Amino acid sequence: SAVISQKPSRDICQRGTSLTIQCQVDSQVTMMFWYRQQPGQSLTLIATANQGSEATYESGFVIDKFPISRPNLTFSTLTVSNMSPEDSSIYLCSVEPGHTEAFFGQGTRLTVV
Amino acid sequence: AQRVTQPEKLLSVFKGAPVELKCNYSYSGSPELFWYVQYSRQRLQLLLRHISRESIKGFTADLNKGETSFHLKKPFAQEEDSAMYYCALRYSSASKIIFGSGTRLSIRP
Repeated sequence: SAVISQKPSRDICQRGTSLTIQCQVDSQVTMMFWYRQQPGQSLTLIATANQGSEATYESGFVIDKFPISRPNLTFSTLTVSNMSPEDSSIYLCSVEPGHTEAFFGQGTRLTVV
Repeated sequence: AQRVTQPEKLLSVFKGAPVELKCNYSYSGSPELFWYVQYSRQRLQLLLRHISRESIKGFTADLNKGETSFHLKKPFAQEEDSAMYYCALRYSSASKIIFGSGTRLSIRP
């Protein structure tokens, strides 16, 4: 299993600014995943973060908008850049040790005004 | 493209009544299927996996490849079952997980 600490839990931000979300895992994992969950919609994978290499982004998501850092095997950050109200969402990080099940952080509820 | 469909956004049943949360998927191979649950003020967590063939908290789910379905069932609903339920699919252990849009289950006393 894995325990993920994600912060902040929520934030209200002005449009045009950036927010960095942090995830800390209690064990070393190869991959960390970042999801977005827009109101009333499913979880959508933004990118997969590997330690020592650039993140792999899903279709519709780009590095300039969602830069990711992965400095070691237990930590990752996702930045939401140049925010607009359309970025208001819940952002989740996740790990899958052993490729058996996904463990999630508690989520970051972002509101852009 | 792989897709997971949960047709009901909200399902409301009385305590003690049977529950069935529907999930259909589109994938021609043999996927791994999951049900994840999020209780109020808790994080998203795994409820069950189809390959485990186990009952968790009284819930079971059977993979029907002919109908490409993975419905979640419980014979007698309890109030503590109220939560958001997500069906999910992965077509290999190395692939990403694809989530359905979720069903909010509300159990009335």
